[in-house]
Amino acid sequence: NAGVMQNPRHLVRRRGQEARLRCSPMKGHSHVYWYRQLPEEGLKFMVYLQKENIIDESGMPKERFSAEFPKEGPSILRIQQVVRGDSAAYFCASSLFGSQSNEQFFGPGTRLTVL
Amino acid sequence: DAKTTQPPSMDCAEGRAANLPCNHSTISGNEYVYWYRQIHSQGPQYIIHGLKNNETNEMASLIITEDRKSSTLILPHATLRDTAVYYCIVRVAGNQGGKLIFGQGTELSVKP
Repeated sequence: NAGVMQNPRHLVRRRGQEARLRCSPMKGHSHVYWYRQLPEEGLKFMVYLQKENIIDESGMPKERFSAEFPKEGPSILRIQQVVRGDSAAYFCASSLFGSQSNEQFFGPGTRLTVL
Repeated sequence: DAKTTQPPSMDCAEGRAANLPCNHSTISGNEYVYWYRQIHSQGPQYIIHGLKNNETNEMASLIITEDRKSSTLILPHATLRDTAVYYCIVRVAGNQGGKLIFGQGTELSVKP
């Protein structure tokens, strides 16, 4: 039973390029969460998605960032026109149900470096 | 959102029990207490969660005080591989699932 999968594990982009981060939730899970961890800082919630719907995007930066979780395929976190401040570890988590009594399981993360 | 307070760091001898405290004095009656840990920048690992009663699983035990204003995570026989940052999180009620709000956590160092 595979856990949450994220790819790529490491991503290097130059300023102004686009970054696409993928997350495949655990089998049977239809709830996905994205978190960001800046260097030497804690984990910050970004967005919560259920299949084809954004449930909570209160942690997403207002510009350049978007997320989707299509009916088929992985969830995608997209960062347009990356800047050096976007360099961070991006973690995806999934849960079976979208309730507070239901644990979230995390993937290994994608480490984005912007040159 | 209910806030949590944890000591920034703790040491524990290998083989001994590690008791990690957490204060959450503003917790609401329907909010869960969750514990996660993060080993050396890996993805956070779920440990345990509870609402009112004490809980135990293969990894740890969670003791929640009767007034629910504090809790303790117990690793019964700490090993070197338990060295990590441990996060105590109060899961917000409602909001269709509740995001996890991570604080600074406790950096646990297990020493030989």
